[in-house]
Amino acid sequence: EVQLVESGGGLVQPGGSLRLSCAASGFSFSTNWMNWVRQAPGEGPVWVSRIDTDGSNTKYADSVKGRFTISRDNAKSTLYLQMNSLRGEDTAVYYCVKDRHWNSFDSWGQGTLVTVSS
Amino acid sequence: DIVMTQNPLFLSVTPGQPASISCKSSQSLLHSDGNTYLHWYLQKPGQSPQLLIYEVSSRFSGVPDRFSGSGSGTDFTLKISRVEAEDVGVYYCMQGVYLPLTFGGGTKVEIK
Repeated sequence: EVQLVESGGGLVQPGGSLRLSCAASGFSFSTNWMNWVRQAPGEGPVWVSRIDTDGSNTKYADSVKGRFTISRDNAKSTLYLQMNSLRGEDTAVYYCVKDRHWNSFDSWGQGTLVTVSS
Repeated sequence: DIVMTQNPLFLSVTPGQPASISCKSSQSLLHSDGNTYLHWYLQKPGQSPQLLIYEVSSRFSGVPDRFSGSGSGTDFTLKISRVEAEDVGVYYCMQGVYLPLTFGGGTKVEIK
């Protein structure tokens, strides 16, 4: 069974940093593209970032480019999202998402809540 | 960015009756490889989104056959042939062709 377990969320002040982790199991992590998708309270999902299988190719939404960094450790089957210079509009549940093929997301974690507030 | 427009925003359906959701994209989702990367997700109350339909019309594993997807180019439709109580939630379409990947605004389905 595919499992994606996010951690690292919490309350952070504007301008602060957080590092999210996603522990993956139940599938061949190293052969799948992975994504982060966020969802603000009461809003729809918004794609944040994508990483290819070996981490050599990464993409970001404009809203986070230059502030967030996606990475992965295939030996540990873990996906990361380093978030710097956090803003109030970054407040959301962040989902770790497995890419089945061509951006169809077949497995989602339970999400981790990031709240940016003073 | 590609804009995905869903209609209606809200659907109230009697159990056993059909339901239909429209999704329109601001550009064609036909990729140069010949495939169309339009996907549908359902977010049940209190849960993470789950994949229902990928590439316009292919049902994901375990998805009941009362769900079907159709369309091409910029116009797509998700149909539920006979709505059941477990189908409540918010349905989202998503395009997988262009970066940034974008979702529709969602259609909330409730049972009458």
